[in-house]
Amino acid sequence: EPEVTQTPSHQVTQMGQEVILRCVPISNHLYFYWYRQILGQKVEFLVSFYNNEISEKSEIFDDQFSVERPDGSNFTLKIRSTKLEDSAMYFCASRGRHSGANVLTFGAGSRLTVL
Amino acid sequence: GEDVEQSLFLSVREGDSSVINCTYTDSSSTYLYWYKQEPGAGLQLLTYIFSNMDMKQDQRLTVLLNKKDKHLSLRIADTQTGDSAIYFCAERTDTGRRALTFGSGTRLQVQP
Repeated sequence: EPEVTQTPSHQVTQMGQEVILRCVPISNHLYFYWYRQILGQKVEFLVSFYNNEISEKSEIFDDQFSVERPDGSNFTLKIRSTKLEDSAMYFCASRGRHSGANVLTFGAGSRLTVL
Repeated sequence: GEDVEQSLFLSVREGDSSVINCTYTDSSSTYLYWYKQEPGAGLQLLTYIFSNMDMKQDQRLTVLLNKKDKHLSLRIADTQTGDSAIYFCAERTDTGRRALTFGSGTRLQVQP
């Protein structure tokens, strides 16, 4: 079964450093998403991406965050200058154009720890 | 804004039924979903229900939707130890934000 692949599975970084989280969505999917889950809290929407541009973003997705689809297969989330409160599990998801009920397929997540 | 609430923890014995409950606030929710997260894994879609339905059954899973009370439940019949995981309720509307809104997740522990 096709799956969404995320790397790294765990990254530890120092506060203020830049971090790039990578995702390989399912190959024929057209809609891409990033969500995050701070430990013990809800899974929160960050951003959605379609046709090479952001289609929706949440209040969390401020100027420190950016997304890119550099080569037609990877979908990346960059955090420019990490803060302690960015420590979370980050989930990538993708969806096909004709996905019934708009079902998202999620990756296993990338755990980010900011020290 | 939209909000989805779930209880945090449920413990059942193997073979019993589990019922995981969820409430939501957005009356324009179009689809409601149940996702399962096993340790170290991503969010796996279990089932979903369209808002004009009140029940959906899929093998051991039964989803009940009470739209008036904005209450969604997931019943797992004959719960197995392999069902131990975190279960997330999520909703989506076709107006305004189209992204999924998730609850905090309910940790289901199945005792042998």
